[in-house]
Amino acid sequence: GESVGLHLPTLSVQEGDNSIINCAYSNSASDYFIWYKQESGKGPQFIIDIRSNMDKRQGQRVTVLLNKTVKHLSLQIAATQPGDSAVYFCAEKAGTYKYIFGTGTRLKVLA
Amino acid sequence: GAVVSQHPSRVICKSGTSVKIECRSLDFQATTMFWYRQFPKKSLMLMATSNEGSKATYEQGVEKDKFLINHASLTLSTLTVTSAHPEDSSFYICSAEDGGSSYEQYFGPGTRLTVT
Repeated sequence: GESVGLHLPTLSVQEGDNSIINCAYSNSASDYFIWYKQESGKGPQFIIDIRSNMDKRQGQRVTVLLNKTVKHLSLQIAATQPGDSAVYFCAEKAGTYKYIFGTGTRLKVLA
Repeated sequence: GAVVSQHPSRVICKSGTSVKIECRSLDFQATTMFWYRQFPKKSLMLMATSNEGSKATYEQGVEKDKFLINHASLTLSTLTVTSAHPEDSSFYICSAEDGGSSYEQYFGPGTRLTVT
């Protein structure tokens, strides 16, 4: 069935280094993707989104890359900071209303 | 960004009782709201899609008679866990979709339900 999954469940990164979190999706018809950050005990927080007619989108310190050929999504965080420590989810919009979330990657920033 | 609130943030109830969780969009109208359930260290699992003025659409395996959803206005959706049992203990999160050209959904802070 449809699924969105992540390659790495936990990622440890040195403070100041760049982080790359990956996500694979299986529904080639999906046209909208979102990255969320979730801190412990809180709801997901929107980070950045991208539509399928784009392959790259940049925000403040974050970049999302979309490779539709291999159905792969990545989130790049520049100059990772301790406050970036959280669980990151990719989500795929499948159909008119439904979102499908990936399994999540925990990012640990090492001082 | 848009704000979505949930109430209560935490609730402890006894087995057999019912619990209502409210989800409100504070600064926008949400024709569609979503209810998710999240187990520890797991991803969000969509339970149902709530549309204002109509019946909710439940995901496969989610009991609609146990998880009652009401979306009475464009800013409020409620989830009632009926006859709660310990296995219903979880983190429940709602989100609201801002209409128009944006697909973006805004999440509430979540409600931690513990059934004793």
